[in-house]
Amino acid sequence: GQNIDQPTEMTATEGAIVQINCTYQTSGFNGLFWYQQHAGEAPTFLSYNVLDGLEEKGRFSSFLSRSKGYSYLLLKELQMKDSASYLCAVRRMDSNYQLIWGAGTKLIIKP
Amino acid sequence: NAGVMQNPRHLVRRRGQEARLRCSPMKGHSHVYWYRQLPEEGLKFMVYLQKENIIDESGMPKERFSAEFPKEGPSILRIQQVVRGDSAAYFCASSPFSELRAPSYGYTFGSGTRLTVV
Repeated sequence: GQNIDQPTEMTATEGAIVQINCTYQTSGFNGLFWYQQHAGEAPTFLSYNVLDGLEEKGRFSSFLSRSKGYSYLLLKELQMKDSASYLCAVRRMDSNYQLIWGAGTKLIIKP
Repeated sequence: NAGVMQNPRHLVRRRGQEARLRCSPMKGHSHVYWYRQLPEEGLKFMVYLQKENIIDESGMPKERFSAEFPKEGPSILRIQQVVRGDSAAYFCASSPFSELRAPSYGYTFGSGTRLTVV
């Protein structure tokens, strides 16, 4: 079956670092996306990983290990505006346009 | 440079009525995807369309649901004879490329239509 697991909720402090994990079990793998979704708004694209390793983009970094079926999103120097849900999505090998989505991790930033 | 436009933003329907959700993709985008999101759940794929063609409707219930993307005008997701279980946020996303051409290109999402069936 297809399964994407993320923690439901995380809390962190402004200025700190937080790591949001995502594990997946899918029939084949053809890339992993991270999206940010503020309450009541559209998901917005953050990152894409298809090879193992770390992709850094400003305060956000995303890591992938295909052998472990594991990814994480690392957010540094947290700001209050980073309070949002973070969605992990995996593209299956057998369906080049269909993404399987995790339920999202709600990140709460406290002052 | 408008993004993906969805309307209405909120829609209330009584059980048994029809709901029509509209999505205008970004300019230059010819690939449209519809997703449904229930509270505390992930996005669930419903249907993938290109202009005038349904490419994949495997995520869409076979009864009461239909989708189209005509040559002119927005993509429409139609739900007939709505039931309470249809209450959800419906998101549309668009892309200028097929996944085969540009797999790393993320989707651009609209702000969604929140359907409430009373």
